[in-house]
Amino acid sequence: ILNVEQSPQSLHVQEGDSTNFTCSFPSSNFYALHWYRWETAKSPEALFVMTLNGDEKKKGRISATLNTKEGYSYLYIKGSQPEDSATYLCALTNSGYALNFGKGTSLLVTP
Amino acid sequence: DADVTQTPRNRITKTGKRIMLECSQTKGHDRMYWYRQDPGLGLRLIYYSFDVKDINKGEISDGYSVSRQAQAKFSLSLESAIPNQTALYFCATSGQGAIGEQYFGPGTRLTVT
Repeated sequence: ILNVEQSPQSLHVQEGDSTNFTCSFPSSNFYALHWYRWETAKSPEALFVMTLNGDEKKKGRISATLNTKEGYSYLYIKGSQPEDSATYLCALTNSGYALNFGKGTSLLVTP
Repeated sequence: DADVTQTPRNRITKTGKRIMLECSQTKGHDRMYWYRQDPGLGLRLIYYSFDVKDINKGEISDGYSVSRQAQAKFSLSLESAIPNQTALYFCATSGQGAIGEQYFGPGTRLTVT
């Protein structure tokens, strides 16, 4: 079981603010890092999968970076909108290919 | 139609009862997973299966069992339900490879009284 830490636990921003949160993990035994977005009353949905040190992924206003040597990934949201309100989950794949999830960062964006 | 379905969506049961949660998928994936979500604890892996003949325990398998009836079906059973198994249960599937994203079902909210 890989220890995946996410911070902050929750975040409240105003519409238009840009924000970011962190996923930390042990740098050894790294295989892949996943970001999922989970809206209330819905299922988690994949945002990004990253495997290489220095990877950067972008989807609209959301982007992510990966540093496997120091064991962290950042998720950035530019110009937050109320529809970005969700819990953002980070997960690691180990050599067994099962996902180890962090506890998530709960984001609330108010108009 | 949804790619990953779970039945039932909500269930209330009593302590000591046996209950089965079912998951079906139409994505043609070999890999299927069961997770539970508790407030403040994130998603924790209960069991996973990489094909019909391959079943593996996850982080919190005690008190649970699974059956992979076919490539498309993966059931989770609580042999004798207890109140601390009250949680939101998710089924997920993924394709081959370590980096394949997982596709989640809608979840089953189980309450054990």
